[in-house]
Amino acid sequence: DVKVTQSSRYLVKRTGEKVFLECVQDMDHENMFWYRQDPGLGLRLIYFSYDVKMKEKGDIPEGYSVSREKKERFSLILESASTNQTSMYLCASRTGAGYEQFFGPGTRLTVL
Amino acid sequence: ILNVEQSPQSLHVQEGDSTNFTCSFPSSNFYALHWYRWETAKSPEALFVMTLNGDEKKKGRISATLNTKEGYSYLYIKGSQPEDSATYLCAFHTSGTYKYIFGTGTRLKVLA
Repeated sequence: DVKVTQSSRYLVKRTGEKVFLECVQDMDHENMFWYRQDPGLGLRLIYFSYDVKMKEKGDIPEGYSVSREKKERFSLILESASTNQTSMYLCASRTGAGYEQFFGPGTRLTVL
Repeated sequence: ILNVEQSPQSLHVQEGDSTNFTCSFPSSNFYALHWYRWETAKSPEALFVMTLNGDEKKKGRISATLNTKEGYSYLYIKGSQPEDSATYLCAFHTSGTYKYIFGTGTRLKVLA
């Protein structure tokens, strides 16, 4: 079974803090993704990585950066958290284009 | 801008009822259509990956059909059970890109 884990289920941070969200997958998948999900909106892609150290911006990259130093780990970084980044963050991985994505359980981030 | 629409937004049915939802997507440059089930407090879980016009897939009481020429997919649940309560997401994948475009989901509540 593919397993995608995320470092926290719930996180509360203050405005201006640097926030790290970690994602680890155990199936040697090439592709990894970070999404955010807000009420009334579909999952929106923040960043995508297709290989170690390779990344591409998704639809809403502003205010975020990512790091992929090892194949199994993809980190999302909020350099200076703001209240409009309060959201559910989902990590996903897949073996390649067209294949199903495997999701982590999500991190619900609240920025006060 | 590619858009994926799902209807209805939410649905309440009685246990034993059969139900269906719709996912509409652009009909050009189609590559794949994905259905996911997302239960509260769990990770989204892949139900089906559909690639060919006319595809029909089935898993237990859940089935899906695909019409790529007119740009829609139907998800059917026969004899709904309370454990079917979840948000059902569809995701459209166009050829030549890595991104999946997600709909906003249909939230199903099955009443015992």
